[in-house]
Amino acid sequence: AQTVTQSQPEMSVQEAETVTLSCTYDTSESDYYLFWYKQPPSRQMILVIRQEAYKQQNATENRFSVNFQKAAKSFSLKISDSQLGDAAMYFCAHRIYNNNDMRFGAGTRLTVKP
Amino acid sequence: DSGVTQTPKHLITATGQRVTLRCSPRSGDLSVYWYQQSLDQGLQFLIHYYNGEERAKGNILERFSAQQFPDLHSELNLSSLELGDSALYFCASSVDPASGDTQYFGPGTRLTVL
Repeated sequence: AQTVTQSQPEMSVQEAETVTLSCTYDTSESDYYLFWYKQPPSRQMILVIRQEAYKQQNATENRFSVNFQKAAKSFSLKISDSQLGDAAMYFCAHRIYNNNDMRFGAGTRLTVKP
Repeated sequence: DSGVTQTPKHLITATGQRVTLRCSPRSGDLSVYWYQQSLDQGLQFLIHYYNGEERAKGNILERFSAQQFPDLHSELNLSSLELGDSALYFCASSVDPASGDTQYFGPGTRLTVL
C-alpha cells in the first residue's frame, strides 16, 4: 500500500530565506506521480508543484523546486526567497499511474517570520 | 480560483441527520473525487467518479454515498451523521485519471455535526 510520510509537523523560516520540507513515500510501483499542495488559512488546497516519476529532472515552479530521489523514495520541497504569503500547511501526495487513489501525508505547517 | 465549485460552504447539523454536499467540476473535467479532512489532518480519499460511473472507493463509510450526474456535477450524501463526521469535505476534478493528471480542488464544505 502507498504511504506518505512528512516527518516535520512544523517548520519555520525567516522571510527571504530558503526552507526545505521533507517527504518520503513507500510504493512498489515504478510509475507514479508526486505532488505538493499548499493549504493556507482559507483551507483551499492549491497545487504547488508536480513531478512525474519517470522524469529525472526535478520540477521547478518559480521559487518552488523539488529534490526527487527515486531510489530513496524522497520528494522534498524547497522554497526560495520565502514570502509571508507562503505561510500555510504543505501536503505531499503520491498517486500511482492509472490509479484513482491519491495518498496524502499528514502535512507540515510552515511559519514565515518577518 | 481552481474552477471547481462546492456548495454549501458551511453546514451545521445535528447527529442522526442527513446532508448533501454538491460539487461542480472544472469545465471539461470528467472525473470527480471526494476527500475528507478531519481537523488538522491530511486528506482521506473517499470516492472517485468518472463520467457518471463509480471508479474507485477509498475509506468511505457505508453511511456515505455519492453520485455523478449527466451534467457531471456530483453529490456526496452523508446520513446518520455522527459527531466524528465533522470535517472539511473537498471535491476535486481532473480530465482523465488514466493520464495521472493533476487534481484541482474546490474550496471545500465545512460540516459541523452537533
